[in-house]
Amino acid sequence: GQNIDQPTEMTATEGAIVQINCTYQTSGFNGLFWYQQHAGEAPTFLSYNVLDGLEEKGRFSSFLSRSKGYSYLLLKELQMKDSASYLCAVNPAGTALIFGKGTTLSVSS
Amino acid sequence: DTEVTQTPKHLVMGMTNKKSLKCEQHMGHRAMYWYKQKAKKPPELMFVYSYEKLSINESVPSRFSPECPNSSLLNLHLHALQPEDSALYLCASSQRDLPAQYGYTFGSGTRLTVV
Repeated sequence: GQNIDQPTEMTATEGAIVQINCTYQTSGFNGLFWYQQHAGEAPTFLSYNVLDGLEEKGRFSSFLSRSKGYSYLLLKELQMKDSASYLCAVNPAGTALIFGKGTTLSVSS
Repeated sequence: DTEVTQTPKHLVMGMTNKKSLKCEQHMGHRAMYWYKQKAKKPPELMFVYSYEKLSINESVPSRFSPECPNSSLLNLHLHALQPEDSALYLCASSQRDLPAQYGYTFGSGTRLTVV
């Protein structure tokens, strides 16, 4: 089976840094994705990791350790608009992404 | 064109109605997907089309019937739905049946309410 775990909720303040963790146990692995989803909207792509290490893209960074089945999404200089659900998704080696339950991030001023 | 377009955006239908959801992309993507998302839950895979052929059906009830008339279009035909089928239905596409490093491009979804 496939299992992808993330915390359900997190809170942070504007300007802070937050790290959202994701652990996975899947039948195979062809990459891990992070998506952002605002309420009532479609998910939007944030990052992709297939090799171990850190990928940086502006205020967002994503890290992967394949041996540990672990990833995190790091958000810096938080803004109110970053309040959203963050979805960790794995491509287990087939033809579709499997999503974790998502982490709802609330950013306050 | 870098978008996936879904119509309608909202749909209310009775349990005896027949309706269809449409999805269109012109990015040359050869894999297209239907996902169902309930409130505060992650998207759940329903169907995958690869090169216009159905490659994955995640044991979806037959009251949902997908169709891929050509490489740009994906339909989801709905018949005799139940209130618990009310959800956001998301269409997505990717460069091929293995999602590329840019992942999926999602449409904005159809918010379906079954009454």
